[in-house]
Amino acid sequence: NAGVTQTPKFQVLKTGQSMTLQCAQDMNHEYMSWYRQDPGMGLRLIHYSVGAGITDQGEVPNGYNVSRSTTEDFPLRLLSAAPSQTSVYFCASSYREGNTEAFFGQGTRLTVV
Amino acid sequence: ILNVEQSPQSLHVQEGDSTNFTCSFPSSNFYALHWYRWETAKSPEALFVMTLNGDEKKKGRISATLNTKEGYSYLYIKGSQPEDSATYLCALRNRDDKIIFGKGTRLHILP
Repeated sequence: NAGVTQTPKFQVLKTGQSMTLQCAQDMNHEYMSWYRQDPGMGLRLIHYSVGAGITDQGEVPNGYNVSRSTTEDFPLRLLSAAPSQTSVYFCASSYREGNTEAFFGQGTRLTVV
Repeated sequence: ILNVEQSPQSLHVQEGDSTNFTCSFPSSNFYALHWYRWETAKSPEALFVMTLNGDEKKKGRISATLNTKEGYSYLYIKGSQPEDSATYLCALRNRDDKIIFGKGTRLHILP
């Protein structure tokens, strides 16, 4: 059972480039989310989704877009990368019920130069 | 924006000693409180999910309590071992479905 799979694991972008971070889960979870981890800041919520076709903004959504066309996939798009987006990105999924835990992907380390 | 606070930020504990740390959160619109253990170079893994005021959960030497009325949760580790060294995160899930994390407590176990 693969769980939550993120690709790529590492990426270097030039300022202004665009890219998509992929996240897929095979647990039939309704809820999926993206976080970024920066030193001293913990995990900050970027965007989240409670089901296919539904997305909403988290704490730090600017500069990122998401879509949820299927239950399994929740890609995160950087439209025009900036050095401030250098971070480690984690995707997480869970059942929608509040008493269930979230499962995390392995993370994507992104550097924008 | 929800404010989930964890204290202390960092903690050094002698092997064999017991310790605890705190997560505080706004109690309005509460749905669930999560605790995660996060080892360096790995992904966070869930320890507990608690939803009811007064909940107490235990897993081996680690336990947690929840007070939703006053907005806090404690995580306890009994008889600390080197493998307990990690960052412990708490996260608040509100009824609007956001899961917001605190900044974590970084625990170092000294041999």
